[in-house]
Amino acid sequence: TQLLEQSPQFLSIQEGENLTVYCNSSSVFSSLQWYRQEPGEGPVLLVTVVTGGEVKKLKRLTFQFGDARKDSSLHITAAQPGDTGLYLCAGVFASKISMGNEKLTFGTGTRLTIIP
Amino acid sequence: SAVISQKPSRDICQRGTSLTIQCQVDSQVTMMFWYRQQPGQSLTLIATANQGSEATYESGFVIDKFPISRPNLTFSTLTVSNMSPEDSSIYLCSVGGHGYGYTFGSGTRLTVV
Repeated sequence: TQLLEQSPQFLSIQEGENLTVYCNSSSVFSSLQWYRQEPGEGPVLLVTVVTGGEVKKLKRLTFQFGDARKDSSLHITAAQPGDTGLYLCAGVFASKISMGNEKLTFGTGTRLTIIP
Repeated sequence: SAVISQKPSRDICQRGTSLTIQCQVDSQVTMMFWYRQQPGQSLTLIATANQGSEATYESGFVIDKFPISRPNLTFSTLTVSNMSPEDSSIYLCSVGGHGYGYTFGSGTRLTVV
């Protein structure tokens, strides 16, 4: 079974602080995505990364894909209460693509709370 | 990106009954995906629904419990059959591809009593 582990599972910090969330697997990804989910809603796509070592920025959010395409991180600078939510990494494993299977495997999730 | 309308948004059902969840997409898509999200958990894929063929179920999910229909390229339904309290979850449909991300419906929050 191919697993995606996220850490930390829960994170509660003060507004203005920085934080990093990690997503790790023992298998190689064809692509990896980060989503944020708020209560009562489905996950919303934040970014897709496909190239090892790739770095993408979305305002105060910085996403990095590991060189070996087995891990990723999400860094938030100067966190704000609006950043509160469940952050999910999700990937398509390279071995599955070769089989014509594009199903998405989700990470265990990080529940982030930003305290005003 | 596609826009998905999912309904109902929530329901409370008696054990032993069935609930059918509908997803309508504003564009034609080849594959639709159904997920379950148990309270406080991440998402688990139930099945992949292709138009014109039977759905492909993941390990731990069976067609008798979660029958899926895919009558055309913009619509799908998931039925949760013979419900028990353990089926209380959020159920989500999704469309997309690994190169450009996935779009999700807003989910159906099911409570079985």
